[in-house]
Formats: sequence, structure tokens, C-alpha cells
Amino acid sequence: DTGVSQDPRHKITKRGQNVTFRCDPISEHNRLYWYRQTLGQGPEFLTYFQNEAQLEKSRLLSDRFSAERPKGSFSTLEIQRTEQGDSAMYLCASSVGTRYGYTFGSGTRLTVV
Amino acid sequence: TQLLEQSPQFLSIQEGENLTVYCNSSSVFSSLQWYRQEPGEGPVLLVTVVTGGEVKKLKRLTFQFGDARKDSSLHITAAQPGDTGLYLCAGGNETSGSRLTFGEGTQLTVNP
Repeated sequence: DTGVSQDPRHKITKRGQNVTFRCDPISEHNRLYWYRQTLGQGPEFLTYFQNEAQLEKSRLLSDRFSAERPKGSFSTLEIQRTEQGDSAMYLCASSVGTRYGYTFGSGTRLTVV
Repeated sequence: TQLLEQSPQFLSIQEGENLTVYCNSSSVFSSLQWYRQEPGEGPVLLVTVVTGGEVKKLKRLTFQFGDARKDSSLHITAAQPGDTGLYLCAGGNETSGSRLTFGEGTQLTVNP
């Protein structure tokens, strides 16, 4: 297993367009997390899956954001009608349990112009 | 809302110096983790501490969890340029479910 993979690494989009990011977690990890990180800040929690069930969503996750994890494997994060404030690094992580730590992917850098 | 405050926010030192980074909260955490992040990459786990008063060492890095499990520190001895990066603490507990709450990070620069 090569770790957590995220695709694409970079995405530049025009305001108002929809974007979708993909995350492939470590296969043995049943927990998958999405975080958002802006420059100079720590990661902010967006949402969490255990297997295919989305168990928690942050209030940061507006109606324009949706995440799925079909079949409990890979996950997608979609942002509709992007705004400039959505520009950030979107990080995916997987884990077998919180106290064992997360394994993060390299992130997707989104720039909305 | 659980918050983790890290200090200092920025630290620039010369190679060979020692440094300590602090992570404080008013909340109790059942576990606390430290991560290191390089530009354009995701954070990488350094250590997890779970017991109040616990001390863990990783080569030149020493991590301590406060007795009350509300705070933690990271001490680096004889810093090297390769230690440069963003150091993040993150706490988790039963009330926050499975997610971690991250501090804002300490940006460390070690100059040769």
C-alpha cells in the first residue's frame, strides 16, 4: 500500500464552477476524514466517514459541499458554485482509530479565480 | 468548542540551538498527537501521547503530555535545517467522536 492518494494535486477553477476531488485511503483503514487548510493555519475538520457512513459534518460544510464514500473505499468531495473563499488545501486522511493517528494524503490545492 | 493554542506561532533559530513549542487547551484530551508538515504536503504523524505526564523521545525530539492532559510540549535538541517545517498538535477525545482538533501550528525555520 502506498499510503493515502489524492487527485488532483492542484486545481484552478473559475468562480461559479463545480469541482470534485478524490481520495483513496489506505485499504485497511475504515475511517476517512476531510480537512481544509488555509495558509498559515492548522487543518479544519470538514467531515468524517466510518466505512460508507458519513458520521459527522462540520458547520463549515455549507450546502455547496458534499462528500461521499461509496462502498467504504475511495471518497469524493464536491464543491458546487465555487467561491474565492473556497481557495485552500483540501486534505484527506485515513485511520484505524483516532489515538493511532491519521495518515494524510498530499492534499489538493484549490485556487478559485 | 475545543481549541488548541500553539506558541510561538513562528520561530527562527540557528542550527544547533534548542527550542520548545507549546500546545495548550482548556479542554481535556484523551490523546494528543504531534505532526510535522512541509510546504505542499500533508502532515506526517510524529508521536501520540495518551497518558498524563507521559514523555516520549524520538531521536532529538522530546514530547511531553501534561499531567492534566490539557497541554503538551515538543522540545528539539540541537536543531538542524532538516527540522524546518510546520509543527501541529492535535487532540482527540470521546466527546469529539473520532475527529482530531488541530492547533494553528508553529512554523519553525532552522538556519544553517
